Amino acid sequence: DAMVIQNPRYQVTQFGKPVTLSCSQTLNHNVMYWYQQKSSQAPKLLFHYYDKDFNNEADTPDNFQSRRPNTSFCFLDIRSPGLGDAAMYLCATSFGWGVRNQPQHFGDGTRLSIL
Amino acid sequence: DQQVKQNSPSLSVQEGRISILNCDYTNSMFDYFLWYKKYPAEGPTFLISISSIKDKNEDGRFTVFLNKSAKHLSLHIVPSQPGDSAVYFCAAHNAGNMLTFGGGTRLMVKP
Repeated sequence: DAMVIQNPRYQVTQFGKPVTLSCSQTLNHNVMYWYQQKSSQAPKLLFHYYDKDFNNEADTPDNFQSRRPNTSFCFLDIRSPGLGDAAMYLCATSFGWGVRNQPQHFGDGTRLSIL
Repeated sequence: DQQVKQNSPSLSVQEGRISILNCDYTNSMFDYFLWYKKYPAEGPTFLISISSIKDKNEDGRFTVFLNKSAKHLSLHIVPSQPGDSAVYFCAAHNAGNMLTFGGGTRLMVKP
């Protein structure tokens, strides 16, 4: 089955220690997204890629970076995690841009804990 | 400023009865609305959607109603089943493919 796969499912890191979360997709979708979701809150978009074109949300902290080396993979790098960065991180994909009947497909998320 | 709001954090319904989940929005530029369902330890999965040019869309047990004048949409599940117990997110599109999510409603369907 075509899927969005996130690794690892659970990640524990130390305060200030860089961490990388990964996402891969077999859907061959052009657009990939990273969301942050804190407990009982709405998912919040951090950034997205349309092919290799990177788009940062205005309020995404500089501490968060992303890489998309090819169509299938996208990485979220947190350079110096703080306690406030503990959250569920969701990767999503979509076919094209502005295609209304093509909803975003989500991975199962990576839950990040900061010690 | 929350543009999409789900004012009920939780809802409990008896199996076989109707579940009604509500969502309000403030941005009149939203032109497409979706409902996602999320089980614990899983990502959201798409459930049903509606274009702003329609007022109703139905898919099996799930129906979404849109009232543009009130900037309100609702998801009806009939009949509710225990497997429907999950968190439901309302989401809206404006320009491009950007989604704005509501905070979610936890539905519990009791056997």
